[in-house]
Amino acid sequence: DAKTTQPPSMDCAEGRAANLPCNHSTISGNEYVYWYRQIHSQGPQYIIHGLKNNETNEMASLIITEDRKSSTLILPHATLRDTAVYYCIFTPNFGNEKLTFGTGTRLTIIP
Amino acid sequence: KAGVTQTPRYLIKTRGQQVTLSCSPISGHRSVSWYQQTPGQGLQFLFEYFSETQRNKGNFPGRFSGRQFSNSRSEMNVSTLELGDSALYLCASSLGGSSRNQPQHFGDGTRLSIL
Repeated sequence: DAKTTQPPSMDCAEGRAANLPCNHSTISGNEYVYWYRQIHSQGPQYIIHGLKNNETNEMASLIITEDRKSSTLILPHATLRDTAVYYCIFTPNFGNEKLTFGTGTRLTIIP
Repeated sequence: KAGVTQTPRYLIKTRGQQVTLSCSPISGHRSVSWYQQTPGQGLQFLFEYFSETQRNKGNFPGRFSGRQFSNSRSEMNVSTLELGDSALYLCASSLGGSSRNQPQHFGDGTRLSIL
């Protein structure tokens, strides 16, 4: 199964940008990087995904290095509601919807 | 657009019983996946259904089974419940086509407690 490495926990001050790193050195050329987050007692929430270009949506920005071995999720102005566990994962192969979740990063936004 | 709906939200059973959980995917989504989440093992893939066929399966015993109906709704069943089956069971749906560029969307799960 595809493996990603994330720091177990991070803190960020409210209103500041939260930058969450992820290493995925074994990613293959046509695999997407996806980010999800899980707030306590809820299901994982899709945030953003990308292949090799940087991506931005209403929730976050995704920066993928040129060699695609790592990426950073950026929450531009963190709020208390962004406190959650953030997961960085690869997409599965064609016709295989299995997602392999690691332990993620527990992000705490501090008032 | 309505999200993924799972019922019931909470369930209490005793050892040896069986349970059926239900998942209604986002309209138009044809793939439904099931996951088990426990504090010790994290999120683990159970199985995935696409067009009423099981397309992929995780490493769980045969007591865990599922099915998908023609309207893409899915159920999972656990027979002969054990204490270790206490978990949050999550359902996720996606378009399920050949593109990797389609995210899965999760419901809020069914929390199953075994007494």
